[in-house]
Amino acid sequence: DAGITQSPRYKITETGRQVTLMCHQTWSHSYMFWYRQDLGHGLRLIYYSAAADITDKGEVPDGYVVSRSKTENFPLTLESATRSQTSVYFCASSPDRNRYTEAFFGQGTRLTVV
Amino acid sequence: QKEVEQNSGPLSVPEGAIASLNCTYSDRGSQSFFWYRQYSGKSPELIMSIYSNGDKEDGRFTAQLNKASQYVSLLIRDSQPSDSATYLCAVTTSGTYKYIFGTGTRLKVLA
Repeated sequence: DAGITQSPRYKITETGRQVTLMCHQTWSHSYMFWYRQDLGHGLRLIYYSAAADITDKGEVPDGYVVSRSKTENFPLTLESATRSQTSVYFCASSPDRNRYTEAFFGQGTRLTVV
Repeated sequence: QKEVEQNSGPLSVPEGAIASLNCTYSDRGSQSFFWYRQYSGKSPELIMSIYSNGDKEDGRFTAQLNKASQYVSLLIRDSQPSDSATYLCAVTTSGTYKYIFGTGTRLKVLA
């Protein structure tokens, strides 16, 4: 039972480069989310998705692009990385719109932009 | 005003004591409330969920919800050093399927 996995776990990139963070879940959950976590800000929602080909902006979407061509994958792309995007990124998934359902998290990707 | 607010702490309690963690939310349409625990360098994991006013107990953990006052709390009885972590409050609202998190409260249980 692999669950939800993120790759890479650690990434160092240079300012201006494009970088893609991968998220894959084996549960066939409908909903997927990308959060970033920074000291003093907690978890902030970047983008979320209700199903394949349905995505919505969260609280801090600027500078990020997502796609969801398959239910199990939800990649997050930084089009032109900036130092302010240095953060820990978490992907999460949830089975359905049942309000009793929690979100399950991947192990996170620590991204450093130099 | 942030949608979900928590005191960042740290909250220090001696081993064996009760730790009380609080969370307030701004949207009266909020329906589901979750407490996650996050150890340093790890991902959040669910501790408790609550949807109705009142108390919900699970082992040493009790979640309390008061929708009229718009707060949710987590009590940890017989606190252990292994409970030392950051506790995140999360809320979902009617009509959306996104989870909004507070900034988290860091708990330190002193041996």
